[in-house]
Amino acid sequence: EAGVVQSPRYKIIEKKQPVAFWCNPISGHNTLYWYLQNLGQGPELLIRYENEEAVDDSQLPKDRFSAERLKGVDSTLKIQPAELGDSAVYLCASSLEAGTSESGELFFGEGSRLTVL
Amino acid sequence: LAKTTQPISMDSYEGQEVNITCSHNNIATNDYITWYQQFPSQGPRFIIQGYKTKVTNEVASLFIPADRKSSTLSLPRVSLSDTAVYYCLVVGDNAGNMLTFGGGTRLMVKP
Repeated sequence: EAGVVQSPRYKIIEKKQPVAFWCNPISGHNTLYWYLQNLGQGPELLIRYENEEAVDDSQLPKDRFSAERLKGVDSTLKIQPAELGDSAVYLCASSLEAGTSESGELFFGEGSRLTVL
Repeated sequence: LAKTTQPISMDSYEGQEVNITCSHNNIATNDYITWYQQFPSQGPRFIIQGYKTKVTNEVASLFIPADRKSSTLSLPRVSLSDTAVYYCLVVGDNAGNMLTFGGGTRLMVKP
């Protein structure tokens, strides 16, 4: 069974440029998460989707970050314009629907490493 | 959300048993305790989850005392490939679950 797929794995851009990350979750997983991970730190939640609905985006910097999950499957995370401080790894994860005893098990992709110059 | 506290780093040697303890004093009645492992340049990987007493799988054991205010991840006979960061999370079984990661414990296994 395929795991969570993310692309691109690596992206280098200059500041003020836009960037987008794509995530394909595990088939049948209704819940999708985007995390940001800075070097040496644990992942920080940016946004969580239940199907198409963003149920928690309180940590998403909405002035420059946006996300969508059309049709409740694939998701994209966009940054426009990027700043130097956005350099980090962006992780996507999926799980069974929240509220189940298995909802604590997240399956992560390998991440997209962003470098802003 | 229950906050977790765990050691920043630990060292061990190949073949030893490693125990990583996590404290979660304000865990709620319906919360589960979950541990993840993360290697460099990879996303975290689920290891084990438990509610109380002891849970064991092919990778690790999880010990949870009766008051559930702490938990201990036990890795038997570690190898060099167990060098990684280990995260303890308290997971709320409700729609407000956010799965908040802390800083994790960096385990270094030496030959």
